Amino acid sequence: QVQLVQSGAEVKQPGASVRLSCRTSGFTFINYVVHWVRQAPGQRPQWLGWINPANGNTRSSEKFQGRLRLTSDTSADTAYMELSSLTSEDTAVYYCAKDRVGVASSPDHWGQGTPVIVSS
Amino acid sequence: AIQMTQSPSSLSASVGDRVTITCRASQAIRDTLVWYQHIPGKAPRLLIYSASTLQSGVPSRFSGSGSGTDFTLTISGLQPEDFATYYCLQEYDDFLTFGGGTKVEI
Repeated sequence: QVQLVQSGAEVKQPGASVRLSCRTSGFTFINYVVHWVRQAPGQRPQWLGWINPANGNTRSSEKFQGRLRLTSDTSADTAYMELSSLTSEDTAVYYCAKDRVGVASSPDHWGQGTPVIVSS
Repeated sequence: AIQMTQSPSSLSASVGDRVTITCRASQAIRDTLVWYQHIPGKAPRLLIYSASTLQSGVPSRFSGSGSGTDFTLTISGLQPEDFATYYCLQEYDDFLTFGGGTKVEI
């Protein structure tokens, strides 16, 4: 079955960077973009972007331009998200999710989420 | 960005009730509307895509309708495992946006 297993919780200081991983199984990794979505406490989910593992192409929300880096390792069927210059507003649960269709529709299967706390 | 507005933000219901949640887009999005269920501590679950297509494995008590700007998720015969928060999402635009959520409580 489709599974996305995310790395563990992170606590970071303001100004630092965080790198999260998303190990996938149960589907052909290079055939589906992987989305990243976050949800801050009490707020609606927020889409961050996606990566196409087949060619490394990415698309991301303009709100994160310059701070967000999405990568993937096709040999390990794993996607990565790195967010830099963290502030307290980046405190959230971060999810990776497989695209439903393949190339940029919306997520169907999701990971369990990785809590990220930004605090001094 | 396309704004998605859900109502109500929360509701109280009982097992067996029929529940209706609405989602409005700030511009026409055809039928590119998705519904998710989220239980705290769990991964979100896809319920419906293309406004009315039930995802495989989702019980038939869930149904969706609408097109353009106005959409509805209906749960016919609420079950104990349905108490959760429901979100709509538009995939019309490259930059996906979610509704604010509807918490269904006992």
